[in-house]
Amino acid sequence: DAGITQSPRHKVTETGTPVTLRCHQTENHRYMYWYRQDPGHGLRLIHYSYGVKDTDKGEVSDGYSVSRSKTEDFLLTLESATSSQTSVYFCAITPGQGTRLWGYTFGSGTRLTVV
Amino acid sequence: QKEVEQNSGPLSVPEGAIASLNCTYSDRGSQSFFWYRQYSGKSPELIMFIYSNGDKEDGRFTAQLNKASQYVSLLIRDSQPSDSATYLCAVKETNAGKSTFGDGTTLTVKP
Repeated sequence: DAGITQSPRHKVTETGTPVTLRCHQTENHRYMYWYRQDPGHGLRLIHYSYGVKDTDKGEVSDGYSVSRSKTEDFLLTLESATSSQTSVYFCAITPGQGTRLWGYTFGSGTRLTVV
Repeated sequence: QKEVEQNSGPLSVPEGAIASLNCTYSDRGSQSFFWYRQYSGKSPELIMFIYSNGDKEDGRFTAQLNKASQYVSLLIRDSQPSDSATYLCAVKETNAGKSTFGDGTTLTVKP
């Protein structure tokens, strides 16, 4: 779908190296999120942003950092990749207003393998 | 205890039957509830949202919400093989700009 793109789609990296995943949106939505999805764990929130330079931690934030210097871009960095960070990473966006505009639109995902 | 629980599945129904997917949540103040569908190898897609007690219908899909009992369900009528997917329940947290997801229920509709 247009409106949200993730890059790269696939990445293999070595243990101990830094990795940055990018999420780009063209919807001008205020909220952006990074989730990881692993078998048996569903979607778990890593970090999210509620505006430029405004971010907060999720339930599995250790080993990850984020930055949002522009409304349209939200970067996720694995500071020193470990095998436990092998996962599928999804970015999501939402306008986040009132009670009716909190449904997410997801990007296509990034499959990350740490060897 | 996980904040959003879904029936573990997998769930298998014959084509044309009603599939019933259930979800319970722990945050009493939650006001917004969502169902996402995720096909294998794809990203989740929002298919239903509900904010008020009662039923909300959209085509073959009906979402049901009971805030007093803290459960939300999704009914799929006249199930089709194309409905085979994992269904994720999500609940927006009170006073926080984020939602918590259940682990999902995998549905298989057999022709």
